[in-house]
Amino acid sequence: AQSVAQPEDQVNVAEGNPLTVKCTYSVSGNPYLFWYVQYPNRGLQFLLKYITGDNLVKGSYGFEAEFNKSQTSFHLKKPSALVSDSALYFCAVRDMDTGGFKTIFGAGTRLFVKA
Amino acid sequence: DTAVSQTPKYLVTQMGNDKSIKCEQNLGHDTMYWYKQDSKKFLKIMFSYNNKELIINETVPNRFSPKSPDKAHLNLHINSLELGDSAVYFCASSQARGTDYGYTFGSGTRLTVV
Repeated sequence: AQSVAQPEDQVNVAEGNPLTVKCTYSVSGNPYLFWYVQYPNRGLQFLLKYITGDNLVKGSYGFEAEFNKSQTSFHLKKPSALVSDSALYFCAVRDMDTGGFKTIFGAGTRLFVKA
Repeated sequence: DTAVSQTPKYLVTQMGNDKSIKCEQNLGHDTMYWYKQDSKKFLKIMFSYNNKELIINETVPNRFSPKSPDKAHLNLHINSLELGDSAVYFCASSQARGTDYGYTFGSGTRLTVV
């Protein structure tokens, strides 16, 4: 079965500092990994994906994620955090056991960026 | 122009009632989904439809019945509402069942059962 884990409920970072939101995955084949962001009272927004290719993928709003096969990780990063980045972040994996018709989400990590 | 729109945004109703949530997407996507987000923000898939056909039914009680009249619409009808049904329900769509497409989510319907 496919799954993702986000080990941190919350991450706190000062504005201007780099941020990392952690995600590890468990899949039975090639991983299809995603990051989404949810702002208060809003739906989730797609940030970026890893399907194949370069281990460093770039996405929206200056975010990037690093795929590490040996550590089965897909951490979300940003070089310089903004207060407006404060939100709930979800790592997700496409469940290929069901033909790709289902995406499984992690529990979410709340990011607080302090001014 | 909203890509995935859900109505209503808020729904407060009494136990035992029947209610519906509507979802429409204007992106030309083939696949649509319903997800439930509980009070702890856990997201769990409920249903997945591809070109109007039910593909995934994730052990959801029979009181929940999705309907897809065409590939741009996926509605959710809930019978005999229970307190535990209180949650935010998100509709989403994706371009194809291909694995490299992210989802576009609606803004959610906050259902409160009293």
